[in-house]
Amino acid sequence: EDKVVQSPLSLVVHEGDTVTLNCSYEVTNFRSLLWYKQEKKAPTFLFMLTSSGIEKKSGRLSSILDKKELFSILNITATQTGDSAVYLCAVEGIGSGTYKYIFGTGTRLKVLA
Amino acid sequence: SQTIHQWPATLVQPVGSPLSLECTVEGTSNPNLYWYRQAAGRGLQLLFYSVGIGQISSEVPQNLSASRPQDRQFILSSKKLLLSDSGFYLCAWSVSFADTNEKLFFGSGTQLSVL
Repeated sequence: EDKVVQSPLSLVVHEGDTVTLNCSYEVTNFRSLLWYKQEKKAPTFLFMLTSSGIEKKSGRLSSILDKKELFSILNITATQTGDSAVYLCAVEGIGSGTYKYIFGTGTRLKVLA
Repeated sequence: SQTIHQWPATLVQPVGSPLSLECTVEGTSNPNLYWYRQAAGRGLQLLFYSVGIGQISSEVPQNLSASRPQDRQFILSSKKLLLSDSGFYLCAWSVSFADTNEKLFFGSGTQLSVL
């Protein structure tokens, strides 16, 4: 059974702290791993990772994938209150006739001023 | 450009009543379509996905069903709602075997409360 597990489930930090969010997975015919940020409604896309060891970076956010150990991390440096959100990890794997996207439980991050 | 429409935004229904949520995609043809549910404080649970008209794959056996009567229309239904059906429902689409960074696109969601 395809599975995506995120940790921690929730996290409270102060502005300026650095956080690391974890995502481990088991999926049939892995194609990619995606990170999303969800503040109120629909998730917004952050990164897609397909290759091990290649860091994706966008401002203070970065992410890396380890396909041997089946996990990914999302790092946020110098956190701001605007980073408060639920961070979702999803894995793209084979489904019936196409690829499907399995999400983890999410990590709820709260950044205090 | 492609857009995805999902309605209604909020819905309050009594237990035992029927449900119909609709999602349509514009600006693309033959999309893969997905229904997800998110319980309060939880992640997204994949309910159904579809690769074409009349083709529905179910991920979790439950009180819900899905249909795809047209290429760009995806409907989530229930004959009798349960309390446990409450949650935030998201429709999404993707292009088959897309080789782009962002490949899964979400609608704005429906907050369903079953009372």
